Amino acid sequence: DAMVIQNPRYQVTQFGKPVTLSCSQTLNHNVMYWYQQKSSQAPKLLFHYYDKDFNNEADTPDNFQSRRPNTSFCFLDIRSPGLGDAAMYLCATSRDRARGHEQYFGPGTRLTVT
Amino acid sequence: DQQVKQNSPSLSVQEGRISILNCDYTNSMFDYFLWYKKYPAEGPTFLISISSIKDKNEDGRFTVFLNKSAKHLSLHIVPSQPGDSAVYFCAASAVGNTDKLIFGTGTRLQVFP
Repeated sequence: DAMVIQNPRYQVTQFGKPVTLSCSQTLNHNVMYWYQQKSSQAPKLLFHYYDKDFNNEADTPDNFQSRRPNTSFCFLDIRSPGLGDAAMYLCATSRDRARGHEQYFGPGTRLTVT
Repeated sequence: DQQVKQNSPSLSVQEGRISILNCDYTNSMFDYFLWYKKYPAEGPTFLISISSIKDKNEDGRFTVFLNKSAKHLSLHIVPSQPGDSAVYFCAASAVGNTDKLIFGTGTRLQVFP
């Protein structure tokens, strides 16, 4: 089945220790998104790629970076995680910008910072 | 500043009855609205949407109503089934920003027998 896969599902990292979350998709969609969702809050868009074109949200901290080496994969790098970065990180895709409404989400990676 | 608000964190409904989930928004530039459904340990999945040129969209047991003057939309599920128990997120996108969704905080629906 075509899908959005996130690895790992659970990630524990130490305060200040860089961590990378990964996302892959078999849908061959052009757009990939990363969201952060803290407990009882709305998913918040961090950034997205339209093909190789990177679009950063204005309020995304510099501590968060992303890479998209090819159509299928996208990575979220947190350079120096703080306790406040503990959250669920959701990856999503959409076919293209015109159909950006219909986003397909992965199951998420829950990040714990100790 | 929450542009999309779901003021009811939870809702409990008996099987067979109607479930009504509400969502309010503040940004008058929003022109497309969606509902996503999320089961535990899974990502949100698209459920139903509505464009601002319409006031109703129906898909089987699910109907979304949009009241632009009140900046309010609602999702009706009739009849409710236990499998509908999930968290429902309201989302919106603005003119010229079709690929950026603004989500609400979600409403947890529980349908009991």
